[in-house]
Amino acid sequence: DSGVTQTPKHLITATGQRVTLRCSPRSGDLSVYWYQQSLDQGLQFLIQYYNGEERAKGNILERFSAQQFPDLHSELNLSSLELGDSALYFCASSEGAGELFFGEGSRLTVL
Amino acid sequence: GQSLEQPSEVTAVEGAIVQINCTYQTSGFYGLSWYQQHDGGAPTFLSYNALDGLEETGRFSSFLSRSDSYGYLLLQELQMKDSASYFCAVPPDNNNDMRFGAGTRLTVKP
Repeated sequence: DSGVTQTPKHLITATGQRVTLRCSPRSGDLSVYWYQQSLDQGLQFLIQYYNGEERAKGNILERFSAQQFPDLHSELNLSSLELGDSALYFCASSEGAGELFFGEGSRLTVL
Repeated sequence: GQSLEQPSEVTAVEGAIVQINCTYQTSGFYGLSWYQQHDGGAPTFLSYNALDGLEETGRFSSFLSRSDSYGYLLLQELQMKDSASYFCAVPPDNNNDMRFGAGTRLTVKP
């Protein structure tokens, strides 16, 4: 158990819909990262927050947005969903450089 | 920008030793990390090298050469449970996030 909690674990929705994925980082970790992993692909960095502020942005689509709340949990919002958005979405947290702790992921299926 | 290159697949037999290489390009350098991911599971941290040399943790070791922008993960006494994908990762020059290579799928055969 990494200490990072993601909900929901599985989500099935239709094209054009909007979903919200939630992440609670490890206790004390200020950084939250979001990654997308499509089938048999690598981990694509989406966005990072540190103590409520956006710190770095990767290949995140304009249809996607995220935020980190004062209690440090984070949400990733995916809108106008397309078939290609089907993937595993991982959240990770860290207290510093070198080691990220990943949640079990949210598997999104867009039909 | 930054890039990481690692082989897409490696196959080895139980009990053998396998080395997974990673070359990187980044304008700044804050260390090389390795992660393991079993199918359907979450990536888990294996090792981190900030300085040149070999770091050993049980059956796994990781090596870094900053002058060559190169590192490797060495897995010894391979077991079937080591079949997984292995990712090298580096923070970019602003040290603000972690970027991953495409991953190496290791298959361990009996």
